[in-house]
Amino acid sequence: AQTVTQSQPEMSVQEAETVTLSCTYDTSESDYYLFWYKQPPSRQMILVIRQEAYKQQNATENRFSVNFQKAAKSFSLKISDSQLGDAAMYFCAYRSADMNYGGSQGNLIFGKGTKLSVKP
Amino acid sequence: DSGVTQTPKHLITATGQRVTLRCSPRSGDLSVYWYQQSLDQGLQFLIHYYNGEERAKGNILERFSAQQFPDLHSELNLSSLELGDSALYFCASSGRPGHTDTQYFGPGTRLTVL
Repeated sequence: AQTVTQSQPEMSVQEAETVTLSCTYDTSESDYYLFWYKQPPSRQMILVIRQEAYKQQNATENRFSVNFQKAAKSFSLKISDSQLGDAAMYFCAYRSADMNYGGSQGNLIFGKGTKLSVKP
Repeated sequence: DSGVTQTPKHLITATGQRVTLRCSPRSGDLSVYWYQQSLDQGLQFLIHYYNGEERAKGNILERFSAQQFPDLHSELNLSSLELGDSALYFCASSGRPGHTDTQYFGPGTRLTVL
């Protein structure tokens, strides 16, 4: 079974600085998707960024970028020019690309999250 | 706004009761997933429906059931509620052609069992 590990329960960053959140995963599949979701105090789950495992190029979305290391099974999120509104829980998630693999049928497997605080 | 709607936003009930949570997916999405978020268990997958058919079950209790209707909205039924069922319940949808891998979440239903 696939697992996702976020080893940093809490992180802190100064406004306008850069912070990197770590995520590692375990899988025997070669094709899959990885995601970062943000959960602010409102508790809404907001998609931040998506990465396809068969693409070597790291995904970027404005101030958010990932460092995807497939061999190391690592998927870190870098937030540049941090803003107060970035304060939230961040969840790393894995999704199989094979809908019939191991009965996963496409559901997301989440890490336990990293709570990011942004200091003014 | 993700385009996924969930009702109600909050639900307070007593142990032993039954409740129904409702989810409407984004327009064009065929898949609905239900997740439970609790303090001790984190985010856990409950069940997946695709175009009206159950596709997969996760850590869903036998007291819980779900269905997806012809208009693609879904309902999650929780019965014989226990204190431990208090959690935030999310539905997510996906399946729009060309974007089948990405799930978009509704705002969640916060269930409190007293």
